[in-house]
Order: sequence, then structure tokens, then C-alpha cells
Amino acid sequence: GENVEQHPSTLSVQEGDSAVIKCTYSDSASNYFPWYKQELGKRPQLIIDIRSNVGEKKDQRIAVTLNKTAKHFSLHITETQPEDSAVYFCAGGGGSYIPTFGRGTSLIVHP
Amino acid sequence: NAGVTQTPKFQVLKTGQSMTLQCAQDMNHEYMSWYRQDPGMGLRLIHYSVGAGITDQGEVPNGYNVSRSTTEDFPLRLLSAAPSQTSVYFCASSYSQGAGTDTQYFGPGTRLTVL
Repeated sequence: GENVEQHPSTLSVQEGDSAVIKCTYSDSASNYFPWYKQELGKRPQLIIDIRSNVGEKKDQRIAVTLNKTAKHFSLHITETQPEDSAVYFCAGGGGSYIPTFGRGTSLIVHP
Repeated sequence: NAGVTQTPKFQVLKTGQSMTLQCAQDMNHEYMSWYRQDPGMGLRLIHYSVGAGITDQGEVPNGYNVSRSTTEDFPLRLLSAAPSQTSVYFCASSYSQGAGTDTQYFGPGTRLTVL
């Protein structure tokens, strides 16, 4: 099955800095790579996703890049704000209809 | 459109008790799944279903049962609760547009404590 590794487990930045979270996956058949944000006490919610036929996708201050050859994808957040503080999860999945999640990254943005 | 709903929000059980966590979705999604979330462990898949009448085990199925008699409902049963099952439980659903995975819509979660 799919194996998804996520790094770092904790990321601390100053407000206005950029943050980058990286995930690697094992199944070359994986074709969908979402990122979820989970605020304290809330449910995970999709913030951005990318499919395997695209190398990069942007949505305002967030972007996701995909390198299929190296089997890794990354979440980039620019001009971080305190409200970006949350746990972020990546996920991957190949032939299975249910994704495999990374272990999460706790992002702390200091004002 | 309520999305994915879960009940109860909080539950305290004694070791050995059984209970059912309820999950329902009104989006006509084929795929539903149950995850548990523990500190530092991410979201671990317990059981999942790809349609009514079809269920399968995930990464951590021991001590849990599921059934899927309708498209809308996917209850999770704890057979004999143990302290190791203290966790936050999330139900999720998704709609597949073809082969492979798609966006997961999560319920609000159930925080379970087993004493």
C-alpha cells in the first residue's frame, strides 16, 4: 500500500515569513495529493490539492508543488499570519479509494 | 446540506462497555471511512466502505466493527472498550470521479475517553 512521510513534525516561523512542508510518497500510481488544515479542536478541511498531471497549483498565499520523478510534493505558505497556525496534513493514494495521510505538521506562526 | 455529521460529540466509557459512534452524510458519497487521531500519530484508518454493503479493514481495525446498510450511514461499533481506544474519532466521506482517491469531507469528530 501507499506510504506517506511528512516533514517536519513541527515548524515555527515569524509572522510574514514563508513556511514549507514536504511529503514523500511510495506508490507511483498515486494521482491525487491534497493538503488539509486542522485548527485546534476542529475537523480537517481541504485547503488545496493537486493532481498528477500538474506540477504546481496556487491559491493566493498557498501553493502546492509536485515532483513525480522524486515522488514528493510540498505545501508553500507565503506571508504567514497567526491564523495560519494549525496542523497540516498531506495525503496520497494510488489505486485505493481511501487516502493515506501523513502524520501532520504543527505550524506555529509567532506575531 | 448538513455534510457529514457525527454523534455524540463527547463520550466517556468504562472499560468493557460497548457503544456505537454514529456517522451520516447527505452528499450521496459512495466512500466513507473512520479514522482515529492520536497525538503525533496523524489520522489512522480504522475501517472504510466503498458502497452500501461493502466494508473493509484499514490500518487499525482491532476492537472495532462497522456496517454499511445504506449510502448515508456508516456507524462504528466499539465491542468492548479499552483505555487504548481513548482518542478522537473522525468519520469522512468522498465522491470518486473515477479511479483513485478524492477530497475527504470530515465530520466534526467524537472525543472518546475510556476509563
